[in-house]
Amino acid sequence: EAQVTQNPRYLITVTGKKLTVTCSQNMNHEYMSWYRQDPGLGLRQIYYSMNVEVTDKGDVPEGYKVSRKEKRNFPLILESPSPNQTSLYFCASSSYTGLGRLPNTEAFFGQGTRLTVV
Amino acid sequence: KQEVTQIPAALSVPEGENLVLNCSFTDSAIYNLQWFRQDPGKGLTSLLLIQSSQREQTSGRLNASLDKSSGRSTLYIAASQPGDSATYLCAVDNYGQNFVFGPGTRLSVLP
Repeated sequence: EAQVTQNPRYLITVTGKKLTVTCSQNMNHEYMSWYRQDPGLGLRQIYYSMNVEVTDKGDVPEGYKVSRKEKRNFPLILESPSPNQTSLYFCASSSYTGLGRLPNTEAFFGQGTRLTVV
Repeated sequence: KQEVTQIPAALSVPEGENLVLNCSFTDSAIYNLQWFRQDPGKGLTSLLLIQSSQREQTSGRLNASLDKSSGRSTLYIAASQPGDSATYLCAVDNYGQNFVFGPGTRLSVLP
């Protein structure tokens, strides 16, 4: 079954304690991205990756890091979490590469990670 | 910078009604547009994907249209059911930026 898997689903942590949210996809997609969803602000892109070792900032990258060492994995790293990073996070993948015109760039989303930083 | 808006923000209808959700975007140079459904506290489920060269897509009781020149898309839901209650998001695949989301329309279908 095609899917994007995020872990953990729920996380409560304290300010300043480094954490990683994992994301894995089994569709061999080149493109992966992270979003955060906040009430009244909708979904905003944090970082995206066009392929292995290629990452770029989205709209709200401050306080986050990512890495793309393997095609299937795209972890989101919070080096020093702060309360304003309390949010619902989504990972997504698609076959869009930005280098050509593909017939289908449907995006698949993970189930979300609800993070609370106290 | 691409901006996506959705009208209405919330909608409540009795079961069985047909309804239309609207999505507008400011930059017509999009690659495709996708409609998603999100249930409370859950992830996003893709409903329909419309390529920029297409004008509409249909899946069951759902029909999505796209008018690139005017920067608009509509999602039509026929014979609504209580199980359709959710937030509906449209997102445009914007070259170089990718998937700019609208704020969503929260739909309640009353039995």
